[in-house]
Amino acid sequence: RKEVEQDPGPFNVPEGATVAFNCTYSNSASQSFFWYRQDCRKEPKLLMSVYSSGNEDGRFTAQLNRASQYISLLIRDSKLSDSATYLCVVSGGSYIPTFGRGTSLIVHP
Amino acid sequence: DAGVTQSPTHLIKTRGQQVTLRCSPKSGHDTVSWYQQALGQGPQFIFQYYEEEERQRGNFPDRFSGHQFPNYSSELNVNALLLGDSALYLCASSLDAGTGLYEQYFGPGTRLTVT
Repeated sequence: RKEVEQDPGPFNVPEGATVAFNCTYSNSASQSFFWYRQDCRKEPKLLMSVYSSGNEDGRFTAQLNRASQYISLLIRDSKLSDSATYLCVVSGGSYIPTFGRGTSLIVHP
Repeated sequence: DAGVTQSPTHLIKTRGQQVTLRCSPKSGHDTVSWYQQALGQGPQFIFQYYEEEERQRGNFPDRFSGHQFPNYSSELNVNALLLGDSALYLCASSLDAGTGLYEQYFGPGTRLTVT
C-alpha cells in the first residue's frame, strides 16, 4: 500500500457543483496534513492546513478522520478557476512530508 | 515580501554531467526542502536543510547532495545525471516550528531535461 493515496480523477463537474476528494494515508503516526493546489506546469500552492477538528476557508472545507486514516477536501459552489490538481500532503514526526499524486479537477461551464 | 525564488528556470544537460540548482527561501523562513516532481506524479521529497545541516532525506541516491548557506539559501547538486533525473525540481521553504507542523511555500521550480 502506498503511503499516501489519491484518486487521480479527473473529476469533471459543472460550475456551482459541490465536489469532494479523499486522501488516505498509511502511517498512523502522521501528525501534519495539508492540501495544495497545482496548476498545470506551475508550483504547488498551499490551499489549507487540515486540523483535527476540521476547518473551513470560504468555499473549502478540510476534514481529518484519524480512525479511518484519511483527509478530505470539500469544494462548494465550484468555479471555473478551481480547475487544477489537488495534492494532499501528510507528514509524521520525522519531518518527511509525503505527497499524494494529486486529484485532477475540471470545472466546466 | 519576496517569495521563494529558484534558478535557473530551465536547464538541459547531457547524461553523466553534473548540475547545481539554487533556491532562496521566503523572507523569514529558515528551512528549505527539495523535491523532484515527475510528470503526472506528486512531488517526491529529496531532503531538507535546517541550520545548514541536512535534517532528513528521502529515498534518493548519494548522487543527490545539497547545501544550505548562513543566509538560509540552498543548493541542490546532482552528479552523474541519468535520463530518469529529468523532472521539475521544486524548492520549498518554511519556518521551523520545532513541532513537525509547518506550512511550506514553493518556488516556481527548475525544469531539468537530461538528454
